[in-house]
Amino acid sequence: DGGITQSPKYLFRKEGQNVTLSCEQNLNHDAMYWYRQDPGQGLRLIYYSQIVNDFQKGDIAEGYSVSREKKESFPLTVTSAQKNPTAFYLCASSSRDRTNSYNEQFFGPGTRLTVL
Amino acid sequence: AQTVTQSQPEMSVQEAETVTLSCTYDTSENNYYLFWYKQPPSRQMILVIRQEAYKQQNATENRFSVNFQKAAKSFSLKISDSQLGDTAMYFCAFMKPFYGGSQGNLIFGKGTKLSVKP
Repeated sequence: DGGITQSPKYLFRKEGQNVTLSCEQNLNHDAMYWYRQDPGQGLRLIYYSQIVNDFQKGDIAEGYSVSREKKESFPLTVTSAQKNPTAFYLCASSSRDRTNSYNEQFFGPGTRLTVL
Repeated sequence: AQTVTQSQPEMSVQEAETVTLSCTYDTSENNYYLFWYKQPPSRQMILVIRQEAYKQQNATENRFSVNFQKAAKSFSLKISDSQLGDTAMYFCAFMKPFYGGSQGNLIFGKGTKLSVKP
């Protein structure tokens, strides 16, 4: 089955610790995205990557870092610099077929991060 | 910058009835895409319906339809014959087309929590 997996489903972190959220896709998509969701808020873009070894900051990148060493994987690290990391994190991917003006974005099941 | 506003934080509807969720947006673009996503209690994001701004005809997917008013920058979702399984958060979202300089990311509203009551 093709799709996006995120692990773990639930993650607990002590203050001052860095944690890494996994996102893997087997859809052969070039583009990948990380969104953060807070209660009463929509999804906000943290980072995105259009191609391997390249990524760009989104609207709320402070306190986060990413890497894109493989097409299939786009891990997100929540660093101790992130002041309020407790949230639900969603990973998404899409094709970069520029012959289409739009390519549907597919979402993973999400990771719930709680800072203790 | 584009913004998306959903003014109804919560709504409820009786099973089998019709409900309309509101969404307004702000953009200076002429061509773009608008979406409604559903997020049930499982929290999996599901695409419900998509509208292309250059198309005047309103999109329809089974019980789901939109009322797209480009001049008013309004994009409401109508759910007919509501079912218990429609209970979810509903997010309105905006995307510029690739030729508009978009990186393909979505801009979301804050969502409307819909409860369908038996």
